[in-house]
Amino acid sequence: EAQVTQNPRYLITVTGKKLTVTCSQNMNHEYMSWYRQDPGLGLRQIYYSMNVEVTDKGDVPEGYKVSRKEKRNFPLILESPSPNQTSLYFCASRLRTGDSPLHFGNGTRLTVT
Amino acid sequence: SQQGEEDPQALSIQEGENATMNCSYKTSINNLQWYRQNSGRGLVHLILIRSNEREKHSGRLRVTLDTSKKSSSLLITASRAADTASYFCATASNGNTGKLIFGQGTTLQVKP
Repeated sequence: EAQVTQNPRYLITVTGKKLTVTCSQNMNHEYMSWYRQDPGLGLRQIYYSMNVEVTDKGDVPEGYKVSRKEKRNFPLILESPSPNQTSLYFCASRLRTGDSPLHFGNGTRLTVT
Repeated sequence: SQQGEEDPQALSIQEGENATMNCSYKTSINNLQWYRQNSGRGLVHLILIRSNEREKHSGRLRVTLDTSKKSSSLLITASRAADTASYFCATASNGNTGKLIFGQGTTLQVKP
């Protein structure tokens, strides 16, 4: 089944403790992206990647890192999480062409205390 | 930066009725897409309409695009309780990245 898999689904952590949210897709998509969703602010792009070893900042990249060493994986790293990073995070992927639909993972609900 | 704005923010209808959601945007686009999100889950792509298209159908969905007014509408006909979800429009501007900018969404409740 074609899908985008994120892990974990839920995560509760404390301020400053490094964490990684994994994302993997099995559709051979070149483009991958991370979004955060917050009430009243909608979906905001954190980082995206057009292909392996190519990553770029989205609208809200501060406090986040990503890497794209393999085509299928695009982990999101929070080196020193803070409470304002409490949010619902989504990974998404699509083919390289701009008019291809995005395929979303089921989300990771992160709480930073 | 938010580009798409949906209207209304919330909509409640009875099963069998039609639901119409509107989306307005500010800058020129390459295409406009509609997504559905069930509570707390990932978004699911519904339909894409290109800037040179005016109307598109997919099952019970009908999407229109008016580039002169910078607006789009999503019509769901003969709604079902399972259509209860949030609906988002997303615009893709011209350019190599094809970045999608999402609106705030319309929350649709279909009462059985």
